[in-house]
Amino acid sequence: AQSVTQPDIHITVSEGASLELRCNYSYGATPYLFWYVQSPGQGLQLLLKYFSGDTLVQGIKGFEAEFKRSQSSFNLRKPSVHWSDAAEYFCAVGATGRRALTFGSGTRLQVQP
Amino acid sequence: DGGITQSPKYLFRKEGQNVTLSCEQNLNHDAMYWYRQDPGQGLRLIYYSQIVNDFQKGDIAEGYSVSREKKESFPLTVTSAQKNPTAFYLCASSAGSGSYEQYFGPGTRLTVT
Repeated sequence: AQSVTQPDIHITVSEGASLELRCNYSYGATPYLFWYVQSPGQGLQLLLKYFSGDTLVQGIKGFEAEFKRSQSSFNLRKPSVHWSDAAEYFCAVGATGRRALTFGSGTRLQVQP
Repeated sequence: DGGITQSPKYLFRKEGQNVTLSCEQNLNHDAMYWYRQDPGQGLRLIYYSQIVNDFQKGDIAEGYSVSREKKESFPLTVTSAQKNPTAFYLCASSAGSGSYEQYFGPGTRLTVT
């Protein structure tokens, strides 16, 4: 069965600083990978996805993620964080034949002025 | 606008009562999902349905029931058998065959006392 680990429960960065959120997955074949963002008390919004092809994927709100098969990782990055990026971020993996996604436990991002 | 609606936003019930959470989508998606979210645990799959009149148990189905009589609707009933029902419940949908990305509703926060 697939699994997802987000090692950082909580991260604080200063506004304007760069950001990297870590995600490691476990799955035997090539996974389908996603990053979602959730504001407090809200649903999840899809930031970006990786299915195949170019390992660097661009998403909305200036986010990007890189798939590294050798490290089983799919880290999320942003070059300059804005105060509005404060939220919880979830990495998820989908597997062939299982439509439902498996989610990591999330990373809460706090942005300092 | 196409999207997923969940109602109500907040729901309060007494212990021992069944309660039904509504989920409706107008995206013409084939597949629908219910997740439960607890602090620090990410999202856990309760039930999912890939087509009308068919659904499968997820990882934590005990104490829950669903129906899928219409393509656009996937209500979740939290029964009195669910030992710890207080949580944030999220409904999602995906296009189905060949599509793994899911789109989420705004969620329902259920409090049982």
